[in-house]
Amino acid sequence: SAVISQKPSRDICQRGTSLTIQCQVDSQVTMMFWYRQQPGQSLTLIATANQGSEATYESGFVIDKFPISRPNLTFSTLTVSNMSPEDSSIYLCSVVKETQYFGPGTRLLVL
Amino acid sequence: LAKTTQPISMDSYEGQEVNITCSHNNIATNDYITWYQQFPSQGPRFIIQGYKTKVTNEVASLFIPADRKSSTLSLPRVSLSDTAVYYCLVGDMGTGRRALTFGSGTRLQVQP
Repeated sequence: SAVISQKPSRDICQRGTSLTIQCQVDSQVTMMFWYRQQPGQSLTLIATANQGSEATYESGFVIDKFPISRPNLTFSTLTVSNMSPEDSSIYLCSVVKETQYFGPGTRLLVL
Repeated sequence: LAKTTQPISMDSYEGQEVNITCSHNNIATNDYITWYQQFPSQGPRFIIQGYKTKVTNEVASLFIPADRKSSTLSLPRVSLSDTAVYYCLVGDMGTGRRALTFGSGTRLQVQP
């Protein structure tokens, strides 16, 4: 299995600001993903974080809004830029190790 | 990508067995079936995974018929703490691996 931690666990931010979320895994993994879960909804894939190259974004998500870094095989960051209240969601990091595992999530509230 | 269909919600009582069925008519040869449990404000937790026939672990059983177009998650003797959303996902566990795509899930409510 894989143990995933995320920082911060929650935050309240003002519109127009940016927040960087960190994801740390207890072992090296090849595949790492970022998801968003809006209130009362299911999970939506934002992007695949690729080590050593640019992230691969899903339809509806762009790099300028959600820049992602993946400097090594155990760590990644997701930045939510120029936030608006519509960005209020839980952001989850996920990795593959035999199967797919999820972090505890970062609960973001934008005022 | 294979699409899954599950009941939106189910109700049960403590001590009962709960069976949640998922339909995945377009499942591909390399796809596995994986079930997750999610409590409010937490990330999804892996429950069980299978390819065909029956898989059992300490928390659940997964039944997959020969045509693999559906699967059933069985939770024996549920308790109040099993109240959660359950997601059925299908995906390639091999070299064609992509991130799992979530459907709407099944909201299970266990009553005393």
